[in-house]
Amino acid sequence: EDKVVQSPLSLVVHEGDTVTLNCSYEVTNFRSLLWYKQEKKAPTFLFMLTSSGIEKKSGRLSSILDKKELFSILNITATQTGDSAIYLCAVGSNFGNEKLTFGTGTRLTIIP
Amino acid sequence: EAGVAQSPRYKIIEKRQSVAFWCNPISGHATLYWYQQILGQGPKLLIQFQNNGVVDDSQLPKDRFSAERLKGVDSTLKIQPAKLEDSAVYLCASSLSRSGSIGEQFFGPGTRLTVL
Repeated sequence: EDKVVQSPLSLVVHEGDTVTLNCSYEVTNFRSLLWYKQEKKAPTFLFMLTSSGIEKKSGRLSSILDKKELFSILNITATQTGDSAIYLCAVGSNFGNEKLTFGTGTRLTIIP
Repeated sequence: EAGVAQSPRYKIIEKRQSVAFWCNPISGHATLYWYQQILGQGPKLLIQFQNNGVVDDSQLPKDRFSAERLKGVDSTLKIQPAKLEDSAVYLCASSLSRSGSIGEQFFGPGTRLTVL
């Protein structure tokens, strides 16, 4: 059974701090790893990673994938209160019928 | 570009009642997904459609859940009869991807179901 584990489950930091969120996985037929941000209900897409060692960056957020060690990290620098959300990691698997398996998420709270 | 639309946004029912959710994906998106997200957990895939065909319903509790996507566009998910443990947010997502490709999934706002 495909498995995605995120850590920590919850994180509280002060505005301006840098945070690192972790995602490890065990899936058959790995295709991609995706990060989503979930504030109210609908997860919104952040990154999709398919190759090891290539950092994806968007503003203060960046992410990298290690396919040998089966994990990914999401970094957020200079955090702001608007970064408070649940961050979901999902792994895409299966060739032909892509399927996402989600982790339970990391709840990030930024204190002003 | 309009996003994924879902209705209703909230629904409260009593156990053993029936309920139906509706989803209209982004125009042109071939693949449609229904997820169940229980409080404190990540979304769990219930069913995946490619156009109007089912490609994965392995985690759909078929004794009480059913879904259809008759014309390959919008979709309905039904629960009959509902149980207390069905209380969750039901998310619909769609992607452009076709067989063999990798695609980002776009999520709708979800329907929060409470079963009393």
